[in-house]
Amino acid sequence: IAGITQAPTSQILAAGRRMTLRCTQDMRHNAMYWYRQDLGLGLRLIHYSNTAGTTGKGEVPDGYSVSRANTDDFPLTLASAVPSQTSVYFCASSPGAGGNNEQFFGPGTRLTVL
Amino acid sequence: GQNIDQPTEMTATEGAIVQINCTYQTSGFNGLFWYQQHAGEAPTFLSYNVLDGLEEKGRFSSFLSRSKGYSYLLLKELQMKDSASYLCAVRDSNYQLIWGAGTKLIIKP
Repeated sequence: IAGITQAPTSQILAAGRRMTLRCTQDMRHNAMYWYRQDLGLGLRLIHYSNTAGTTGKGEVPDGYSVSRANTDDFPLTLASAVPSQTSVYFCASSPGAGGNNEQFFGPGTRLTVL
Repeated sequence: GQNIDQPTEMTATEGAIVQINCTYQTSGFNGLFWYQQHAGEAPTFLSYNVLDGLEEKGRFSSFLSRSKGYSYLLLKELQMKDSASYLCAVRDSNYQLIWGAGTKLIIKP
């Protein structure tokens, strides 16, 4: 059982390039999330999806887009990367959005934009 | 605005007890979570509180007071492997998690 996987593990990207971070879970969880984690700051929600076919904006959505075509996959796209998007990106999933549903995290993608 | 406050760093001795505090101001409250995150790794779930009181789970306990906007995580019989960051998160009225910046716990022999 893989749980939740992310790819790539790390990436160095030139500013202005387009980049898609991949996230796949095999737990049949309904809800999925993308966070960024920066030194000295808490995890910040970028986008979320409460169920396949729906998405919503989090706290810091600008410059990012997501899609949720099926239950398992939740890719995050940076249309035109900027240096301020240098961060560690975590994908997470949970059985549902409320109650005591904990979020399970992928291993993260370390992205550097130069 | 929404705010979660935790101490930035704490130091404790192996075998001792440490309490990590978290205070919050959020738009609505639908539960509070504690996660552990080792350096370079993903956060992992520790505990969940939605009602006032203490939840005990082995060496770890978590307390909540909703009226005070306050929680703490208590770690007993500290082990070197407990050296990590501990993240407090509150589920708000939109059912999204608002995260504190985390408390880095350093365990000394």
